[in-house]
Amino acid sequence: GAVVSQHPSWVICKSGTSVKIECRSLDFQATTMFWYRQFPKQSLMLMATSNEGSKATYEQGVEKDKFLINHASLTLSTLTVTSAHPEDSSFYICSARRGPINSPLHFGNGTRLTVT
Amino acid sequence: AQKVTQAQTEISVVEKEDVTLDCVYETRDTTYYLFWYKQPPSGELVFLIRRNSFDEQNEISGRYSWNFQKSTSSFNFTITASQVVDSAVYFCALSGGDSNYQLIWGAGTKLIIKP
Repeated sequence: GAVVSQHPSWVICKSGTSVKIECRSLDFQATTMFWYRQFPKQSLMLMATSNEGSKATYEQGVEKDKFLINHASLTLSTLTVTSAHPEDSSFYICSARRGPINSPLHFGNGTRLTVT
Repeated sequence: AQKVTQAQTEISVVEKEDVTLDCVYETRDTTYYLFWYKQPPSGELVFLIRRNSFDEQNEISGRYSWNFQKSTSSFNFTITASQVVDSAVYFCALSGGDSNYQLIWGAGTKLIIKP
């Protein structure tokens, strides 16, 4: 089946530093990947749609300069949290579709970011 | 507008009991898709099922079954003979043209199976 790999699984960083999270589709090409954020005991919040070879599409209220997304190839998208602050601490999950637009999303294992 | 409601925030049952998780949706689309995902404590989201709006046939997969009723805009999920490993948060989601096929998520239902 489709596999999406996300790295790292967890990261602790100091306030003011930047953190990069990688999302790879291991056995299929993904022209579009999605980045979600999940607060404790809450549902998933779509942050942005990552498009291979073009700029990401951000959801309303998500700072594009804060959360940099790069989709450099058909199998890799990265999310960089720049100048992280404690309020950026959260669970970040990437996903990708294998197939047409109505196909189910396949998710990475998520990255738990803690900013101290 | 599209919306997914999972009214049950948390359900707790004893192992081997049957349990049903409710999902009610709203959409103006005539063609849409409904999904269920499982999120165990480890955090990853596991795809369970996709159902399109033209297929109201109920589905059974082992101990899991889904009941799709367009008349009541519901897509309920039943686990029979529950096991401790079923403990997780379960999300119902909807996608359709009205949302450009982005997933509209329910709030999730936390299922606790006690031994």
